[in-house]
Amino acid sequence: DGGITQSPKYLFRKEGQNVTLSCEQNLNHDAMYWYRQDPGQGLRLIYYSQIVNDFQKGDIAEGYSVSREKKESFPLTVTSAQKNPTAFYLCASSRRAGTGSTDTQYFGPGTRLTVL
Amino acid sequence: EDKVVQSPLSLVVHEGDTVTLNCSYEVTNFRSLLWYKQEKKAPTFLFMLTSSGIEKKSGRLSSILDKKELFSILNITATQTGDSAVYLCAVRVGSTLGRLYFGRGTQLTVWP
Repeated sequence: DGGITQSPKYLFRKEGQNVTLSCEQNLNHDAMYWYRQDPGQGLRLIYYSQIVNDFQKGDIAEGYSVSREKKESFPLTVTSAQKNPTAFYLCASSRRAGTGSTDTQYFGPGTRLTVL
Repeated sequence: EDKVVQSPLSLVVHEGDTVTLNCSYEVTNFRSLLWYKQEKKAPTFLFMLTSSGIEKKSGRLSSILDKKELFSILNITATQTGDSAVYLCAVRVGSTLGRLYFGRGTQLTVWP
C-alpha cells in the first residue's frame, strides 16, 4: 500500500531528553513537511524539504532538527531546547511540479508526543 | 506576514442542517487554496481551488473560491453526524513545492 507512515503513534519523553520521530513515504514524493498541532490551533510548519539533502525552516523551527538523507525519509528530532514539546506532530508529503501533479499535501497518521 | 483566517471557530448544528464555513486569506504569491477534514488524527484532503468562481463538488460538500475578495467557502448540505470534524483551510504560496499556510480550523459538531 502506498502512503505515509509515522512512528511511534504515542511517545513519552522526560524533560531534557532528545527524541526522534520517524516519517517514511513510498509515494515517490519529492517534498516532505513537518507540522505541529496544539489543541484549538491549526497546523504550524516546523521544517520542510523539497529535495534530498536540502531543507528549510518553517515558522517554529527552534528546538527542532531534521535530516533528509533519503527521498523516502524525513525524521524530526525534538531536542531538549524545545521548551514546550507536548503536541501532535504530523508529517506530510507532496509531488514535484511538472509531473502532472497537484499541490495537495498528504498526511501521515501523526505522533502524539507527551513530555512528562 | 501571510495569514489565513477561518470562521467560525466552532459550530454546532443538528442533522439535516446546511452549514457554511469561511476562509479568508492574505498572502503573497497565491497559488491554491485547499480544504481538509480532520477527525482526531490525520487531515484528509477534500478540495483544491485555484480559479475564482468555479465550484468544486463532492457529494454533499462543495466549495468555491473568490480570488478578488480573497476568500473561500465550504458548504455542507444535509449534515450528518459523520460530518463532525475540524475543517482546515490552507493556502499554498509560491511554487508547487511551496509551503502551506493553515488557518486554525472550524470545529463542526453535528447532533443527531
